[in-house]
Amino acid sequence: AQSVTQPDIHITVSEGASLELRCNYSYGATPYLFWYVQSPGQGLQLLLKYFSGDTLVQGIKGFEAEFKRSQSSFNLRKPSVHWSDAAEYFCAVGGLSNTGKLIFGQGTTLQVKP
Amino acid sequence: GAVVSQHPSRVICKSGTSVKIECRSLDFQATTMFWYRQFPKQSLMLMATSNEGSKATYEQGVEKDKFLINHASLTLSTLTVTSAHPEDSSFYICSARRPGHNEKLFFGSGTQLSVL
Repeated sequence: AQSVTQPDIHITVSEGASLELRCNYSYGATPYLFWYVQSPGQGLQLLLKYFSGDTLVQGIKGFEAEFKRSQSSFNLRKPSVHWSDAAEYFCAVGGLSNTGKLIFGQGTTLQVKP
Repeated sequence: GAVVSQHPSRVICKSGTSVKIECRSLDFQATTMFWYRQFPKQSLMLMATSNEGSKATYEQGVEKDKFLINHASLTLSTLTVTSAHPEDSSFYICSARRPGHNEKLFFGSGTQLSVL
């Protein structure tokens, strides 16, 4: 079965601390992997994506993610969190043939303490 | 950059009425748009794929007569929740796929539907 699991529903970190959001997937074909961020009242914004090549991908706002095929993971990281990073983060997986048909994880709410 | 506009952002309606949500691609032609539904504290669930000029493809478990999708032009897809009931209250969000940029979806800002 195809699925995406984000084990952490809610994470709180202090401003300036490092961040890692976990994402595990189950997908029968070659996966395309995405991280999206959803701020309150706003739409989803693509942070980064992995299709092929270098397994460490850089995204916007200082985020990066590492694809580990052996672990079926695509964890999102940021070295130093800013208060404006507080939002809901979604990991998603899609297929080569139809990347519009994304399967989303349940999301992780990030709270940033001053 | 590409922008997808979704309207309205919030709607409150009485049970039994129908509600139409619009999704527009403002600076590109979207042959394919997608409609998602998000329950509180849950993941986005794909409801249907909307293709311009043809019938939408609904995901399993989504009632096509309940959630009418029309994609009459390359820049507009609409989702109509017919005879809405309180259990239809949810956050609905659309996305559009830009031709030539298959890997990138552009999302609308979503519509919060509350059915009383």
